[in-house]
Amino acid sequence: QVQLVQSGAEVKKPGASVKVSCKASGYTFTSHDINWVRQAIGQGLEWLGRVNPNGGDVGYAEKFQGRVTMTRHTSKSTVYMELSRLRNDDTAVYFCARRGTPSGMDVWGQGTTVIVSS
Amino acid sequence: SYELTQPSSMSVSLGQTASITCSGDKLGDKFASWYQQKPGQSPVLVIYQDNKRPSGIPERFSGSNSGNTATLTISGTQSMDEADYYCQTWASNTGVFGGGTKLTVL
Repeated sequence: QVQLVQSGAEVKKPGASVKVSCKASGYTFTSHDINWVRQAIGQGLEWLGRVNPNGGDVGYAEKFQGRVTMTRHTSKSTVYMELSRLRNDDTAVYFCARRGTPSGMDVWGQGTTVIVSS
Repeated sequence: SYELTQPSSMSVSLGQTASITCSGDKLGDKFASWYQQKPGQSPVLVIYQDNKRPSGIPERFSGSNSGNTATLTISGTQSMDEADYYCQTWASNTGVFGGGTKLTVL
């Protein structure tokens, strides 16, 4: 079945970087963009950016420009999201999601908890 | 930057119709999607391209989008529909989410 499986929880200190992976299976990896969305505890969904697994081109939310990097490893069917210069308010659950329809994200990963604390 | 506005909460009686709105400048010129999220779970796409249902989503979920407002309608609301609902669109190839609506089924 189509699924996205993310890496495990992370605990980081302020100023450090975190890299979260998202492995796709059950479909042609290069056919659909992968988006990254985060959610702080008790808060709403926030879009960070997207990566095209086919050509590798990316697009980031203005808020995260310069701090986020999204890459892919085609042979592993895996995309990565790295967030640098972490702050306490980056503590959140990070989701990857496939844009499998013209407008919506139809498959979501299970989420990766990132805690930033000194 | 583009913004989407939703009511933070609403309630509906069991079996009645719930209509959740999402407002944005000329939203009707874009495609709207809707997601359902229950506590501790990943979001689930329930409507895409304004009014299309992914396979497996019950027919009681429907959507519309015109002018500045997109609407998610749940007909014959069931207790299992109690959840947070988020609208979403694309503006200049950037993803934008509404703030979410907590739906309570009475």
